[in-house]
Amino acid sequence: AQSVSQHNHHVILSEAASLELGCNYSYGGTVNLFWYVQYPGQHLQLLLKYFSGDPLVKGIKGFEAEFIKSKFSFNLRKPSVQWSDTAEYFCAVNAMDTGRRALTFGSGTRLQVQP
Amino acid sequence: DTGVSQDPRHKITKRGQNVTFRCDPISEHNRLYWYRQTLGQGPEFLTYFQNEAQLEKSRLLSDRFSAERPKGSFSTLEIQRTEQGDSAMYLCASSTQSHGTQYFGPGTRLLVL
Repeated sequence: AQSVSQHNHHVILSEAASLELGCNYSYGGTVNLFWYVQYPGQHLQLLLKYFSGDPLVKGIKGFEAEFIKSKFSFNLRKPSVQWSDTAEYFCAVNAMDTGRRALTFGSGTRLQVQP
Repeated sequence: DTGVSQDPRHKITKRGQNVTFRCDPISEHNRLYWYRQTLGQGPEFLTYFQNEAQLEKSRLLSDRFSAERPKGSFSTLEIQRTEQGDSAMYLCASSTQSHGTQYFGPGTRLLVL
């Protein structure tokens, strides 16, 4: 079964700092990859996704992620974070050629941006 | 609001009681998913429907759990004889058949005393 690892559990940054959150998955076949964000008191929202094509995908609010197949990674980046980016970030994978539709999530990274 | 809705948003119950949660997906979405999320963890898959057919169930879904989607629209998740370990956020998501992006509802937070 596939698994997702998010190695950074809690990240604290100052405003304007650059962000990179790690995500590694353990499935060797075709995957769809997602980053979801959960702002305080709100529900999970899609930040960006990768299905195929250009491995560098851009999402909302200036976020981007790069799919590196050889490293089984899908790291999330933002050049300059804002206080409003304080949230919990979840990486998720869907193993396409298993026929399953379930998403497997990582345990999440809590990002705290200090003003 | 045309997003996924869930009811109730919060539920407190005593151990041994039965509870039922409802999910209304985005109207044109024929796929519906249930997940469970505990503190400090990401969501864990429970079950998935395509229209009214329940096509996939996780091993997490013990025989005390049952889910239905009788007319292919809303879905219910019932937990019988609740246990303290059932305390969690229960999330519903929906998607179209042609596009795999799942959109999540606000969740139902269950506390079993």
